[in-house]
Amino acid sequence: SYVLTQPPSVSVAPGKTARITCGGNNIGSKSVHWYQQKPGQAPVLVIYYDSDRPSGIPERFSGSNSGNTATLTISRVEAGDEADYYCQVWDSSSDSFGGGTKLTVL
Amino acid sequence: EVQLVESGGGLVQPGGSLRLSCAASGFTFSSYWMSWVRQAPGKGLEWVANIKQDGSEKYYVDSVKGRFTISRDNAKNSLYLQMNSLRAEDTAVYYCARDYYGSGKDVWGKGTTVTVSS
Repeated sequence: SYVLTQPPSVSVAPGKTARITCGGNNIGSKSVHWYQQKPGQAPVLVIYYDSDRPSGIPERFSGSNSGNTATLTISRVEAGDEADYYCQVWDSSSDSFGGGTKLTVL
Repeated sequence: EVQLVESGGGLVQPGGSLRLSCAASGFTFSSYWMSWVRQAPGKGLEWVANIKQDGSEKYYVDSVKGRFTISRDNAKNSLYLQMNSLRAEDTAVYYCARDYYGSGKDVWGKGTTVTVSS
């Protein structure tokens, strides 16, 4: 299966910008999706096709994908953004999730 | 309202079987690929299996191949996961999710908990 590598944790002060990376071999050639999961809740899709936002997701959430790294960027971070974030790719008839990144808002 | 509701979880002994169900409503179920995704306690998300709109294609994570079977009944708007030969490492919350035409999983249920223990 396709391996996706995320940092276990990222910390950011309110109002600043958080960047969460997702590494994979030539991931830039694949479509990457991102999910937010808060404690005790189901995941929510926040970015699809590398950089598109589903309706209802704030413009503060954006994504990029190139080379061996995809990045989820959260601008003007709020306390409510504190959650686990997962990247996901479909490759060779198999879905793969990254290990997840816990975003802490200081 | 677009909704997915899982059921069928519970406590089962190692080697036992369980059948999970996912009831879909608020959208044309037969138009979408569907997936099962699980999350072990304190761990990350793990894709388990998915199935094409008409059931003609099914894919599984290696760890469940030969033990789990995904199926669907479009007339009943329902997705299923038959789990046999269960192991302690299958203990997790199991989520049903809608695959939006390769654009990620845009609708998720609240999950059902499976515990494999003696």
